[in-house]
Amino acid sequence: QQQVKQSPQSLIVQKGGISIINCAYENTAFDYFPWYQQFPGKGPALLIAIRPDVSEKKEGRFTISFNKSAKQFSLHIMDSQPGDSATYFCAASFNKGFQKLVFGTGTRLLVSP
Amino acid sequence: DAGVTQSPTHLIKTRGQQVTLRCSPKSGHDTVSWYQQALGQGPQFIFQYYEEEERQRGNFPDRFSGHQFPNYSSELNVNALLLGDSALYLCASSLELTGPSPDGYTFGSGTRLTVV
Repeated sequence: QQQVKQSPQSLIVQKGGISIINCAYENTAFDYFPWYQQFPGKGPALLIAIRPDVSEKKEGRFTISFNKSAKQFSLHIMDSQPGDSATYFCAASFNKGFQKLVFGTGTRLLVSP
Repeated sequence: DAGVTQSPTHLIKTRGQQVTLRCSPKSGHDTVSWYQQALGQGPQFIFQYYEEEERQRGNFPDRFSGHQFPNYSSELNVNALLLGDSALYLCASSLELTGPSPDGYTFGSGTRLTVV
């Protein structure tokens, strides 16, 4: 029940295309859903996050879509650029209690020029 | 503005040995969390320290222990190393006052531990 399932494992998108990464969770007590971007040799960096009281959040080219009834959320990267090539992790956390993240298994994104 | 600093960046140890990893939190942060990231996997929560106390622990054996110092820096100790302990160990710092959600997390670049 603590798991967050992420797909696909890897993704190749052409420059200018849309990258879509999906995640699903089981524990309905989760109430904070961030996405992290990780480059090789670096730690994860927060990209964008959403709480379950909204269905969509957009920041620049990055959008999170959230479906509370289906217990799913997704990251859309519009106009994907080669500089977006990285590993992306979805995660979930509880708003009560302590600051602990449960991560998905990651998606390796390659944006071809 | 210094972010989270971890040392060393890389480390090679032999099975059965003990290792200590170090973390200096971002300036102004008072809470330190440790994560283990195996190759090709997402980070897994090990434990969190606040006010020099371990206050939450993930599903890791007692071989994993830690400490937080009065200056908020932290150490992760792993005893009796196994091959399966090979991973990237990430430290994340945050400020307790920002609340329980980890949107204030700042991750370090990690320590790559290889057990041979």
